[in-house]
Amino acid sequence: DGGITQSPKYLFRKEGQNVTLSCEQNLNHDAMYWYRQDPGQGLRLIYYSQIVNDFQKGDIAEGYSVSREKKESFPLTVTSAQKNPTAFYLCASSEMASGLKETQYFGPGTRLLVL
Amino acid sequence: GEDVEQSLFLSVREGDSSVINCTYTDSSSTYLYWYKQEPGAGLQLLTYIFSNMDMKQDQRLTVLLNKKDKHLSLRIADTQTGDSAIYFCAESIRGSTLGRLYFGRGTQLTVWP
Repeated sequence: DGGITQSPKYLFRKEGQNVTLSCEQNLNHDAMYWYRQDPGQGLRLIYYSQIVNDFQKGDIAEGYSVSREKKESFPLTVTSAQKNPTAFYLCASSEMASGLKETQYFGPGTRLLVL
Repeated sequence: GEDVEQSLFLSVREGDSSVINCTYTDSSSTYLYWYKQEPGAGLQLLTYIFSNMDMKQDQRLTVLLNKKDKHLSLRIADTQTGDSAIYFCAESIRGSTLGRLYFGRGTQLTVWP
């Protein structure tokens, strides 16, 4: 089955710790995205990547980092600089970044909690 | 051009029609989307409409687009308890960062039996 997987489903972070959220897709999509969702809020864009080895900051990139070494993988690291990391994190991908092929498909999400 | 507004809550009885409304501000929208999110899950693409269309129907779902008023609606016919979820409206904007979507805050639909 083609799709987007995110792991883990739940992640706990201690103070001062960096944690990495995994996102993998087997849809052969070029573009991938990370969003943060807080209760009662819409989705806010953290980072996006239109092609391998390239990525751009979204609206709330501070305290986060990403890499795109492979087409199918776009991991997100929540660094200790992110002071309020508790949220639901959603990864998405699209075939391309223009036209109807920009339609985004989402993974199941990772809930990050701070201990 | 990035403000997408939705009412936060809607309650309906099972079997009634639901209408979820969305307004957007950017007239350069290319595609407008509706996503559904069930508790603890990711977003599921329900349907989309191209900005030069007025209406799109897909089984129980009808999307209406009023470009003049920048108003988008999603009608769910014969609403079922399984339709209870959060519904997000999103727009893509011509000329913005390619592939960028702007989301509303979501409408929590509650269906009463």
